[in-house]
Amino acid sequence: NAGVTQTPKFQVLKTGQSMTLQCAQDMNHEYMSWYRQDPGMGLRLIHYSVGAGITDQGEVPNGYNVSRSTTEDFPLRLLSAAPSQTSVYFCASSYSVPNSPLHFGNGTRLTVT
Amino acid sequence: KNQVEQSPQSLIILEGKNCTLQCNYTVSPFSNLRWYKQDTGRGPVSLTIMTFSENTKSNGRYTATLDADTKQSSLHITASQLSDSASYICVVSARQAGTALIFGKGTTLSVSS
Repeated sequence: NAGVTQTPKFQVLKTGQSMTLQCAQDMNHEYMSWYRQDPGMGLRLIHYSVGAGITDQGEVPNGYNVSRSTTEDFPLRLLSAAPSQTSVYFCASSYSVPNSPLHFGNGTRLTVT
Repeated sequence: KNQVEQSPQSLIILEGKNCTLQCNYTVSPFSNLRWYKQDTGRGPVSLTIMTFSENTKSNGRYTATLDADTKQSSLHITASQLSDSASYICVVSARQAGTALIFGKGTTLSVSS
């Protein structure tokens, strides 16, 4: 059972470039989300989805775009990368957010130069 | 403002010793409190979820306590092992529309031999 799979593990971008971080889960979870983790800060929610075709903004959505065409996949797009987006990005899924644990992927470490 | 504060920020203990990590929160309305373990370079993994009515929950050598009156939780680790070296993150879920998980900044535990 793979759980939550994120690709790539590492990425270096130049300012202004765009890219997509991939996230897939095989647990049939309706809820999926993206977080960023920066030194000295707690995990911060970027975007989330409660099912295919439904997405919403989290705490820090600016500069990021998401879509959810299937239950399994929830890609995160960086539209025009900025150095402030240098971070570790985690995708997480859950059966039911209020009552069930989040299952996290192992992260994508992104550096924007 | 909903906040989760963890202490200490970091901790070093000898293998075999016990330790206790603290979490104080100001989150309302409260739904549940979670503890996650995050190994270096990996995503967080759920240890426990506690609702308002639960004041103790164990997962192997990990025991979480919750005092909903004082809005405090602790994570006690018994007979520590080198593999317990990790960051421990306290997360509080607020009972409200949408997703509202408030993350603490974590306590970094180092277990030395």
